[in-house]
Amino acid sequence: AQTVTQSQPEMSVQEAETVTLSCTYDTSESDYYLFWYKQPPSRQMILVIRQEAYKQQNATENRFSVNFQKAAKSFSLKISDSQLGDAAMYFCAYRRGETSGSRLTFGEGTQLTVNP
Amino acid sequence: EPEVTQTPSHQVTQMGQEVILRCVPISNHLYFYWYRQILGQKVEFLVSFYNNEISEKSEIFDDQFSVERPDGSNFTLKIRSTKLEDSAMYFCASRRNSNTEAFFGQGTRLTVV
Repeated sequence: AQTVTQSQPEMSVQEAETVTLSCTYDTSESDYYLFWYKQPPSRQMILVIRQEAYKQQNATENRFSVNFQKAAKSFSLKISDSQLGDAAMYFCAYRRGETSGSRLTFGEGTQLTVNP
Repeated sequence: EPEVTQTPSHQVTQMGQEVILRCVPISNHLYFYWYRQILGQKVEFLVSFYNNEISEKSEIFDDQFSVERPDGSNFTLKIRSTKLEDSAMYFCASRRNSNTEAFFGQGTRLTVV
């Protein structure tokens, strides 16, 4: 079974600084996707960034980027120039890459605080 | 921008009562999901639905749960006889195909009293 682990229950960062959230996963699959979702206090789940396992290049979306280390099964999220609106719970998630409706498996989450 | 819509946003029900949570997925999506999140815990998979049938379900999704897509647009989750431990945020999600990400609704907060 696939598992996703986020070892940092809480992180904090100063506004405008950079923070990195860690995620590791375990799978025997070769084809899969990894995601970071943001959950603000409203509790809606918002996709931040995705990474296909077959791509060597790390995904980037504006101030958000990932460090995908496939051999180490590590998938960290870097937030640059942190803003107050980045404060939220961040979930790392895994999904197998197959044609059927495979599920997302989530980590425990990291609560990010942004200090002004 | 298309979005997944869930109703109601908050439902309070008495233990033992039946509840139906409703979702309208994005119109051209083919895969549909229900997840739940007990307060302070991680998001857990309940069930996936594709081609008008359940494609996968978790151990949480027992006989008390059922899903339906009755009219090609709505996707519902029914809990037949609610328990206190069913209190949680329930998220509907949909996905267009195997290569795309899932989009989540805003959630329904279910409180069982």
